[in-house]
Amino acid sequence: QKEVEQNSGPLSVPEGAIASLNCTYSDRVSQSFFWYRQYSGKSPELIMSIYSNGDKEDGRFTAQLNKASQYVSLLIRDSQPSDSATYLCARFTGGGNKLTFGTGTQLKVEL
Amino acid sequence: DVKVTQSSRYLVKRTGEKVFLECVQDMDHENMFWYRQDPGLGLRLIYFSYDVKMKEKGDIPEGYSVSREKKERFSLILESASTNQTSMYLCATSSGSGNEQFFGPGTRLTVL
Repeated sequence: QKEVEQNSGPLSVPEGAIASLNCTYSDRVSQSFFWYRQYSGKSPELIMSIYSNGDKEDGRFTAQLNKASQYVSLLIRDSQPSDSATYLCARFTGGGNKLTFGTGTQLKVEL
Repeated sequence: DVKVTQSSRYLVKRTGEKVFLECVQDMDHENMFWYRQDPGLGLRLIYFSYDVKMKEKGDIPEGYSVSREKKERFSLILESASTNQTSMYLCATSSGSGNEQFFGPGTRLTVL
């Protein structure tokens, strides 16, 4: 089992809809989680971090973490064509500086 | 804002050449990382450094070495480039353990 798993997609949503991106991980000691957005040919840029169970909102983005069920999700409200990108989930486990990344989910927001 | 720069956006080298990729950050971050990104495989950590002259192997260090002589600069060295090292190389920095990593623009390396 991969340490961080994401559905590769593509996930297609109409403009204005809510996009839901999911990520599962394989251990119970993961402490913090990050969502990155990566446009084609560009480097990843940080969208959100989340450390505690529950929801964290930032503008149109909401990250949700459930450590008991070992998943983290990213909701994008009022999706725009400019949100079309690959979204990478990453987790950090204590005791080192290493982030482990999922392979990403491609999101397509259609007009 | 964190600024991370990489020496080249695109690089073409021949098999057997020694290749230097350089990363410079301007935010006084302790940690610096080198990843490669390949389709279907995601981001894989090659090496990281948590202090000047300190380095740790990542998941795929074979065929690579690194150098960190100054806090702001982290170099990745391909001692003898091979075609299977054709990839996107990404540098990242973070300010401490468990903190967010910030990426440079990447270098797309092609080894012929």
